[in-house]
Amino acid sequence: KAGVTQTPRYLIKTRGQQVTLSCSPISGHRSVSWYQQTPGQGLQFLFEYFSETQRNKGNFPGRFSGRQFSNSRSEMNVSTLELGDSALYLCASSLFGPPYGYTFGSGTRLTVV
Amino acid sequence: QQQVKQSPQSLIVQKGGIPIINCAYENTAFDYFPWYQQFPGKGPALLIAIRPDVSEKKEGRFTISFNKSAKQFSLHIMDSQPGDSATYFCAATNTGNQFYFGTGTSLTVIP
Repeated sequence: KAGVTQTPRYLIKTRGQQVTLSCSPISGHRSVSWYQQTPGQGLQFLFEYFSETQRNKGNFPGRFSGRQFSNSRSEMNVSTLELGDSALYLCASSLFGPPYGYTFGSGTRLTVV
Repeated sequence: QQQVKQSPQSLIVQKGGIPIINCAYENTAFDYFPWYQQFPGKGPALLIAIRPDVSEKKEGRFTISFNKSAKQFSLHIMDSQPGDSATYFCAATNTGNQFYFGTGTSLTVIP
């Protein structure tokens, strides 16, 4: 079966712009979580959506937001981009939420210049 | 505050060696401790996981040792191979909540 699909794979944006990243979960999975991965920091939790509702949220500023659609696809938006937002953004899906069956996508590499 | 502390940051071993990666946690509510393996350009993939009611779990060449009283757990890779060269992350969660990840260990296995 198809895995977790993230688009686009690579993105270059200018400071101050906004960006939207997309995540299509494994078919049937209702939970989607987003993480920011940077060297030395590991994976930092952004938020989790389950059945279109945000269920958990990490410690990121309000510039980071997300949503989930009725087909479980999720989008993450970052407004007013800063240089420090350059990172690999990963999403993970699971049937009911962590921890079981937690499967990551390959990520979107965002570079802010 | 880092909920899960991982060491070392990088590790180089010869083929056949046994690299050991260590993690420590503070929150005694954590009840699930997985290890993830990540290759360049890929997302992390679940390698092996353990619950705190057992002290050791083995899957193939990968073993988790868990010390509940010390709040520590470690990953051992037996008979390591060059194909094991990757970044390894430990994590912890209490079921239904977010994962807390360690900062990762870059493992290089020299042929």
